[in-house]
Amino acid sequence: GENVEQHPSTLSVQEGDSAVIKCTYSDSASNYFPWYKQELGKRPQLIIDIRSNVGEKKDQRIAVTLNKTAKHFSLHITETQPEDSAVYFCAAWDAGNMLTFGGGTRLMVKP
Amino acid sequence: EAGVVQSPRYKIIEKKQPVAFWCNPISGHNTLYWYLQNLGQGPELLIRYENEEAVDDSQLPKDRFSAERLKGVDSTLKIQPAELGDSAVYLCASSVTSGETQYFGPGTRLLVL
Repeated sequence: GENVEQHPSTLSVQEGDSAVIKCTYSDSASNYFPWYKQELGKRPQLIIDIRSNVGEKKDQRIAVTLNKTAKHFSLHITETQPEDSAVYFCAAWDAGNMLTFGGGTRLMVKP
Repeated sequence: EAGVVQSPRYKIIEKKQPVAFWCNPISGHNTLYWYLQNLGQGPELLIRYENEEAVDDSQLPKDRFSAERLKGVDSTLKIQPAELGDSAVYLCASSVTSGETQYFGPGTRLLVL
């Protein structure tokens, strides 16, 4: 089955700086890659997603890039704000019709 | 539009007791998922329903866990008997169909004493 690795596990940045979280996947047939943000005690919420026919997608301060050849995708957050502090999960939808999640990245934005 | 609804939000039981979780997906969503989330980890799929059919339950510990989605809408996940290691958050999610965006409910936090 699919294996998704996520790095780093924790990330601390200063407010206004950029944050980058990287994920690799193992199943070359995976074709859908969502990113979820989860605040403490809350539900995971979709923040951005990308399909395998696209290399990059942007939504205001958030962008995702996908390299199908290398089988990795990244989340980029620019101009970080304290409210961006949360745990971020990447995921990959594989040929087995299953969404496999990475281990999560705890992002801390210091004011 | 209402999101995915789950109840109860919290449950504390003693080991060997039964427990049940309920999920109401977003209206019109045919696919329903149950996930287990341990502290500090990503969600792990337990079972996926396409309408009322369980199409992927390979990760469900069938000796003690069961699930149903009788009319293809609401779903119930049951554990009987519960063990200490079952303490976790049980998340329900739904999507229009498989492979589309999944929307999560708030989860049920289970503590087994």
